[in-house]
Amino acid sequence: GAVVSQHPSWVICKSGTSVKIECRSLDFQATTMFWYRQFPKQSLMLMATSNEGSKATYEQGVEKDKFLINHASLTLSTLTVTSAHPEDSSFYICSAAQGSISYEQYFGPGTRLTVT
Amino acid sequence: GENVEQHPSTLSVQEGDSAVIKCTYSDSASNYFPWYKQELGKRPQLIIDIRSNVGEKKDQRIAVTLNKTAKHFSLHITETQPEDSAVYFCAASPGGSTLTFGKGTMLLVSP
Repeated sequence: GAVVSQHPSWVICKSGTSVKIECRSLDFQATTMFWYRQFPKQSLMLMATSNEGSKATYEQGVEKDKFLINHASLTLSTLTVTSAHPEDSSFYICSAAQGSISYEQYFGPGTRLTVT
Repeated sequence: GENVEQHPSTLSVQEGDSAVIKCTYSDSASNYFPWYKQELGKRPQLIIDIRSNVGEKKDQRIAVTLNKTAKHFSLHITETQPEDSAVYFCAASPGGSTLTFGKGTMLLVSP
């Protein structure tokens, strides 16, 4: 149980275009979903926290107009990278928490974004 | 906010040896401390976690200890095997909220 999927697993896009990444909880309802970015040989950095039906809370330094997050249902959150640049190339990982006071986060497999 | 320091950044051991990774945290409100193993290009995999109401937890070859007074917690892997080679991350959370990760430890187990 507690499976989280992400789509796509990898994507290559041209500079200036937008790309959408989906995160789904397959067998549970995720009250809260988290989006992380991980550069090579670095740790996971939290970008934003999203709760179903409300606006995402972004971490300091993360541009909310560039990284659009939508948590439209209890099983789906999307991250859209708008006007992508090569420096946005990274490994994007989502996670989901079950319930409002769940301790454990269940991670998706990640999406490798390359901006050319 | 929370700040998690992790040491060492790299750790090389011989197969069969023990490995210890240490983390410190700053926020006394943190009460959940998971450890993750991440292989290259894969998702972080929870290997063990501990909550603040206990001081130690063990699962086969893996154990975690927590000292709330000193705000530090450690991962202990005994009888290491080559397949234990990966990057290990500690994290801290005030329960039901965001995780703050350490910078990671690359563990290399040589046969």
